[in-house]
Amino acid sequence: AQSVSQHNHHVILSEAASLELGCNYSYGGTVNLFWYVQYPGQHLQLLLKYFSGDPLVKGIKGFEAEFIKSKFSFNLRKPSVQWSDTAEYFCAVDSGGGADGLTFGKGTHLIIQP
Amino acid sequence: KAGVTQTPRYLIKTRGQQVTLSCSPISGHRSVSWYQQTPGQGLQFLFEYFSETQRNKGNFPGRFSGRQFSNSRSEMNVSTLELGDSALYLCASSLVDQAQYFGPGTRLTVT
Repeated sequence: AQSVSQHNHHVILSEAASLELGCNYSYGGTVNLFWYVQYPGQHLQLLLKYFSGDPLVKGIKGFEAEFIKSKFSFNLRKPSVQWSDTAEYFCAVDSGGGADGLTFGKGTHLIIQP
Repeated sequence: KAGVTQTPRYLIKTRGQQVTLSCSPISGHRSVSWYQQTPGQGLQFLFEYFSETQRNKGNFPGRFSGRQFSNSRSEMNVSTLELGDSALYLCASSLVDQAQYFGPGTRLTVT
């Protein structure tokens, strides 16, 4: 079965610091990759997605992620975080074109200190 | 475009009862998936429907079931509720083989 691992469960950064959240998945075949964000009191929102093509994908709010197939990784990055980026971040993998559902990592709770 | 809507938003039930949750997808989305979110297990896939057909089901007991209607709206049902069924139940919709967009969820508490 597919599994997704997020390396850090809790991350605390100061504003303007750079961010990188790790994500590794286990499936060796073709995958679609996603990062979702859940702001306090809000529902899950799609941050960015990778289906094919350029392995460096850009999402909303200045976030980007790089797909490295050889490392089964899809790390999320942002060069300079803001207090409003405080949220729970989930990496997800889809190996069945949607029918198999998304497999989520456990999430990373990011706290940005002003 | 309106997002995914779920009703009710909060629900309290007693062990042994059954519950039905409803989901209206984004207009034009024909695929609807359901997930369970708990602090211990995280987000887990329940099942996915497309054109009124269940295409796949996650590793949940048969007490969890669902259906999809011709207008793509979906319902999920949990029978014989257990305390461990307390969770946030999320619905997501998508175009075929595209990214899923999530609703706000239904918070189910079983007492």
